[in-house]
Amino acid sequence: RKEVEQDPGPFNVPEGATVAFNCTYSNSASQSFFWYRQDCRKEPKLLMSVYSSGNEDGRFTAQLNRASQYISLLIRDSKLSDSATYLCVVNPYRLSFGAGTTVTVRA
Amino acid sequence: SQTIHQWPATLVQPVGSPLSLECTVEGTSNPNLYWYRQAAGRGLQLLFYSVGIGQISSEVPQNLSASRPQDRQFILSSKKLLLSDSGFYLCAWSPTGGNYGYTFGSGTRLTVV
Repeated sequence: RKEVEQDPGPFNVPEGATVAFNCTYSNSASQSFFWYRQDCRKEPKLLMSVYSSGNEDGRFTAQLNRASQYISLLIRDSKLSDSATYLCVVNPYRLSFGAGTTVTVRA
Repeated sequence: SQTIHQWPATLVQPVGSPLSLECTVEGTSNPNLYWYRQAAGRGLQLLFYSVGIGQISSEVPQNLSASRPQDRQFILSSKKLLLSDSGFYLCAWSPTGGNYGYTFGSGTRLTVV
């Protein structure tokens, strides 16, 4: 079983829409959680950390469900610039990266 | 502030040729350093990580090696490249201790022909 699993998508949404997706992780000892964003042919960049109580950063909301071992990312009021691949990352002892969920926002 | 430099940005090498990719970090001491590879359309695969000078751990056995000759320098090497070595190579760093995210360099896109 993979350490981190994500729905690869793609999620194709119109501008202004809300899009949400999850990832699941296998190691219950995971201590920290992140969402990274990767643009085409670029390096991944940290989007936000995910805290146990859930957290927001502007239009982005991240949630953690330890009991079911999944984290989620919700993007409100999608912009064209949100088009990217979003990587779910968990840290049981070193970061484990999911393969990514591709989001395409269309005009 | 901390910065990470990785070069070259792109590289085309023939099968059987050697490889040397370099990564340096500025603005911090004793960072944890990582080499990842991302094949086309695939996820990130951890190749090597280092917690200190001369300390290298290999995650995946293959024809690549890594070295850390200085605190903030991490080198990925191969004596003879294979076609399957093509990919996007990313160096990353994180502070020691704690549960921190990693910061990536801009990557090297390697094509073995």
